[in-house]
Amino acid sequence: KAGVTQTPRYLIKTRGQQVTLSCSPISGHRSVSWYQQTPGQGLQFLFEYFSETQRNKGNFPGRFSGRQFSNSRSEMNVSTLELGDSALYLCASSSSVSNEQFFGPGTRLTVL
Amino acid sequence: AQSVTQPDIHITVSEGASLELRCNYSYGATPYLFWYVQSPGQGLQLLLKYFSGDTLVQGIKGFEAEFKRSQSSFNLRKPSVHWSDAAEYFCAVVNMNYGGSQGNLIFGKGTKLSVKP
Repeated sequence: KAGVTQTPRYLIKTRGQQVTLSCSPISGHRSVSWYQQTPGQGLQFLFEYFSETQRNKGNFPGRFSGRQFSNSRSEMNVSTLELGDSALYLCASSSSVSNEQFFGPGTRLTVL
Repeated sequence: AQSVTQPDIHITVSEGASLELRCNYSYGATPYLFWYVQSPGQGLQLLLKYFSGDTLVQGIKGFEAEFKRSQSSFNLRKPSVHWSDAAEYFCAVVNMNYGGSQGNLIFGKGTKLSVKP
């Protein structure tokens, strides 16, 4: 069974631009969560989607948004990028049966 | 608010020595606890989890953790460390403020483990 995949793996953007990151969960998993990892703040929860509905949202500004499609694939979008948005963005998926999340390798976003 | 504290930012142990990584949590009831490991440039891999029952939990790669309610702790242990265990270790708890969805985790700041030959 393929693991969680995230594309792209690396991304370089400039301030003010917007970016879209993609996550494909493990087949059969309907829950997808996103986390931001930075050296200063550590791992912080962004949002969780389940069956195309946002179930939880972390304490991030409205520039951060996401969505989930009917095939459970998820995207997150960051608009008007700031230097502080440079981070590793991790996606995780889980099933309603399992009580653990499986993480993807992450997308490394650098904002210049 | 719930929180997770990992007091040690960086630990160095000799290969073959025992290891204990500390984790303290704040939550009134029994939390759902996890330990994850992250190698450089990689995502997170689950080592073990505790939801209820036996307070000594066995995980993958020879790791174990003990839940101690009286100390609000969930420390990770390994009797003999291998060079391949060098990585960053994260303790996490399910955020119960949002219905306890397992998809919403609060992480500690992590402990970086270095292994001396």
